[in-house]
Amino acid sequence: AQKVTQAQTEISVVEKEDVTLDCVYETRDTTYYLFWYKQPPSGELVFLIRRNSFDEQNEISGRYSWNFQKSTSSFNFTITASQVVDSAVYFCALRDNNDMRFGAGTRLTVKP
Amino acid sequence: DVKVTQSSRYLVKRTGEKVFLECVQDMDHENMFWYRQDPGLGLRLIYFSYDVKMKEKGDIPEGYSVSREKKERFSLILESASTNQTSMYLCASRTGTAYEQYFGPGTRLTVT
Repeated sequence: AQKVTQAQTEISVVEKEDVTLDCVYETRDTTYYLFWYKQPPSGELVFLIRRNSFDEQNEISGRYSWNFQKSTSSFNFTITASQVVDSAVYFCALRDNNDMRFGAGTRLTVKP
Repeated sequence: DVKVTQSSRYLVKRTGEKVFLECVQDMDHENMFWYRQDPGLGLRLIYFSYDVKMKEKGDIPEGYSVSREKKERFSLILESASTNQTSMYLCASRTGTAYEQYFGPGTRLTVT
């Protein structure tokens, strides 16, 4: 079965703290893609990153980094030195032969 | 930049009304999607379309229908709105070969 679990419903941090958003997935397919999206208060989901199942290299983009581990079926997202503008709902998603499946989302609040 | 627009940001309708939600994309994408977003449930796929005049049911199609007469436009129809269809509706599109979906700003529908 295809499933994406984001166990953290809400996280609250103070500005400049590091924060990690967890994502665990399930799929029977050997070829699949993982995504993270950000949904700011304006409502529009913004694409952040895509990883394919054959590429386990971690990725860093500015203050954002992603840790993909097939052994634990996890694709975690870390924000370093968080800022108030990072406040949003973050969605992890999986695409395999059954098309896209989203997690329930994690609401991140960064307080000044 | 990909642009996906939705006809309304906020909509209030009465029970039993027929409701049309319109989505337009300007990047010549083949694939278009309608999701609804509810707290704690993430995004759930209602319908999608791989081409003009083609449609496929998603996970929760009951109570909805869709129309795709032109490539750039994908409409979601609530034949007889009910209070349990109060939700945020998100439209998305992508090309046939890429995997990221690009989202519109969403329509928050309230059925009273």
